[in-house]
Formats: sequence, C-alpha cells, structure tokens
Amino acid sequence: DAGVTQSPTHLIKTRGQQVTLRCSPISGHKSVSWYQQVLGQGPQFIFQYYEKEERGRGNFPDRFSARQFPNYSSELNVNALLLGDSALYLCASSWSSRVNGNTIYFGEGSWLTVV
Amino acid sequence: AQRVTQPEKLLSVFKGAPVELKCNYSYSGSPELFWYVQYSRQRLQLLLRHISRESIKGFTADLNKGETSFHLKKPFAQEEDSAMYYCALSDNYGQNFVFGPGTRLSVLP
Repeated sequence: DAGVTQSPTHLIKTRGQQVTLRCSPISGHKSVSWYQQVLGQGPQFIFQYYEKEERGRGNFPDRFSARQFPNYSSELNVNALLLGDSALYLCASSWSSRVNGNTIYFGEGSWLTVV
Repeated sequence: AQRVTQPEKLLSVFKGAPVELKCNYSYSGSPELFWYVQYSRQRLQLLLRHISRESIKGFTADLNKGETSFHLKKPFAQEEDSAMYYCALSDNYGQNFVFGPGTRLSVLP
C-alpha cells in the first residue's frame, strides 16, 4: 500500500498567484481532509470531504477551496496567495468520515513557500 | 471554542526516566481525544486515542473530563521516543479536528 500521496512535495509561488495541491488517498478510503501546518504550530483543519461532498470547513478565507473527484483523490486550491500562506499542507485520508473507530492516515505534505 | 493546549514546547528527559506530556482542551460536548506522533523524517501518525484505552509503545493517556486533560505518560522513556507529539481532539464526525501546538520530546542517553 502506497499510503497517502501528495504532490508536489515542494513549490515556490509569488504573492497573488494561485496554487493547486493534489492528494491521492489510500485505496478504499473515501474521506479526505486537508490541514495547514505553519512552522512551529500544530496542523490546522481546512476541509474535509467525504464521497465528493464537503463535510467540514475550518476557519479559512474563501481563497481556499477544494474538491474531491470520483476516484476519491482531492485537490486543494489557494487563490491570491499571501506570504502567510507559506506552510506545509497535509492531506489525510480515512475510510469513513467518522473518527470513532476510524484511523486517519497522513501524507508527507506539500511545502508551499510564497515569496 | 474548541482549543487544545500543550504547555511545553520542549521536554527533555533522560533514558529510563518517566515522561508526561501535558494536554488540556476546551470543547463544548464530548470530544474524541488523540495523541499523534511525528518521528524525524516521517509522516504524522496516530499514537493512541482515548476511546480505545490501549497502550502503544508503552504510552498511555487517561481522559480526565473534570480537569479537561489528556496527558500522555510513559514510565520509562527510551531514546527512540524522541519525536514531536501532538494532542488533538475531534467531534465524532471528524469535522472539527483541532491539534495542539505540539511538544518536542527529547530523550537523552
């Protein structure tokens, strides 16, 4: 099993640009969540998708959007990038949207640097 | 508002000493509590959850609802326990997953 895979692993963007990050969940997992981890802090919840529908959203501006495809992979889009968007973006997958008795598996993340 | 606090950014102990990583939370309702660990150059992974009441790698954590705490304990620390530890909570539907800022545990030889 390849685990949760994310791409790209590293990227550099300039302020005002847009970025798309990709995530492939573990085979059979239908739930994907996205987190932002700023250096020195714990991950912050951005979105959860289950069966292609948004099930949860954290406290992030509308510049952040995501979607889940029929094969359960997911994309996170961030528009009008700000310097403060520089962070590690983590994707996590699980079999269901519930956490009770359900393990969430994390990818290695995509490092985004905004200059 | 949901919040997880971990008062220690860095905790250093000697090998064989007991270790306790503190975690306090605020949540209106009955949250699910977790400890996640990140070893050097590895991805974030689940260490244990309160609902299963299990011991993983010698670590245990007891949920104290009165004190709203979920401290992680191990009686005898090992060098391989050196890692970043995050306490986290969630509602049952995983829609509000909140992580603490993390504590770096360093086990000295």
